[in-house]
Amino acid sequence: QKEVEQDPGPLSVPEGAIVSLNCTYSNSAFQYFMWYRQYSRKGPELLMYTYSSGNKEDGRFTAQVDKSSKYISLFIRDSQPSDSATYLCAAGEGGYQKVTFGIGTKLQVIP
Amino acid sequence: DTAVSQTPKYLVTQMGNDKSIKCEQNLGHDTMYWYKQDSKKFLKIMFSYNNKELIINETVPNRFSPKSPDKAHLNLHINSLELGDSAVYFCASSLRGGGHETQYFGPGTRLLVL
Repeated sequence: QKEVEQDPGPLSVPEGAIVSLNCTYSNSAFQYFMWYRQYSRKGPELLMYTYSSGNKEDGRFTAQVDKSSKYISLFIRDSQPSDSATYLCAAGEGGYQKVTFGIGTKLQVIP
Repeated sequence: DTAVSQTPKYLVTQMGNDKSIKCEQNLGHDTMYWYKQDSKKFLKIMFSYNNKELIINETVPNRFSPKSPDKAHLNLHINSLELGDSAVYFCASSLRGGGHETQYFGPGTRLLVL
């Protein structure tokens, strides 16, 4: 079992839809949770960062962590064609431990 | 100004050859990483170096040898290339190497072994 599980999709939605992307994790020591966005043929870039449980909002993006159920979510409101990318969830323990990535969910927003 | 750069962008080579990929970061970060992203898009860490010292060394064939001449550079040398080595290799850096830090990725090197 991978430490961070994510449905690879693909997920296709019409422009303007609310998108919900999810991950589960198994390592209780994870405290830091991230979402990276990767456009085709590019490197991943950090989109959202959350420490421990709770919500974080940044514009159209909301990241949610529920440590009790080991569940990580990313919501995208009013999705745009420019949001079409692969979204990778990631989790880390802190210290000099590695960051573990999910496989990524490919999202396509159709105009 | 490119924060994390890699060369080459594309690498096509024959089985059995030896090749190197270079990475440089101009962010002043202490820690650099190598990741492998396979055909299923799974991003898996291979190595990390903090200020030229090896910190993370995942289960990777010893045909792969990282080298860090200084903290701004981390190169990856691969001996006796195999078909299964075909993947995209990403270099990344972070400020000190903490598991809570943002990692900045390079554009990737697409390796195809024939």
